[in-house]
Amino acid sequence: DTAVSQTPKYLVTQMGNDKSIKCEQNLGHDTMYWYKQDSKKFLKIMFSYNNKELIINETVPNRFSPKSPDKAHLNLHINSLELGDSAVYFCASSSLGEKLFFGSGTQLSVL
Amino acid sequence: AQKVTQAQTEISVVEKEDVTLDCVYETRDTTYYLFWYKQPPSGELVFLIRRNSFDEQNEISGRYSWNFQKSTSSFNFTITASQVVDSAVYFCALSVGGSQGNLIFGKGTKLSVKP
Repeated sequence: DTAVSQTPKYLVTQMGNDKSIKCEQNLGHDTMYWYKQDSKKFLKIMFSYNNKELIINETVPNRFSPKSPDKAHLNLHINSLELGDSAVYFCASSSLGEKLFFGSGTQLSVL
Repeated sequence: AQKVTQAQTEISVVEKEDVTLDCVYETRDTTYYLFWYKQPPSGELVFLIRRNSFDEQNEISGRYSWNFQKSTSSFNFTITASQVVDSAVYFCALSVGGSQGNLIFGKGTKLSVKP
């Protein structure tokens, strides 16, 4: 009954590869987010989608592309992976005026 | 611009000690929310508290208490009688306007509680 679930939990890949992280929420929320936590534990928002529409797009390389097929899903595609992309990526969701619910994170390691 | 500062990078205490984690925020908005999250070694982000800018009442939840002072732009977090299970990284965060999803995080304070 996980509220916000993201897969995979761990992702190890080579530089230059393309990979995706999937996120699903079963809370009926209308807004979903991707956050990145770097090696120094610093957390920063990357994207936000409301009802499948992009509303926040921070300064993120265009190799990163979020895709929201419906309100309950927000996937993150990363092309041409670089060493610096290694981080923990957190998906989250919320309803208007309500707090965030975070997924358990995906640890991405680029070798 | 909005900013959250957690000046304490790491704190180490012995079990049963009280410990206060500091958080100072900057914003020109009059409507904002402040949060504390806990990140234990397992890595998930655990929500602890949310406080809106119009509610300066302090809050106590068990061994946890929060002191919100608009005059000093601070939202400090105190753990009373700390336990080993409190060992984690604690993040203070700010959101402005109506959206509570666009969080601006501080850099976190790593708390180690030793037996």
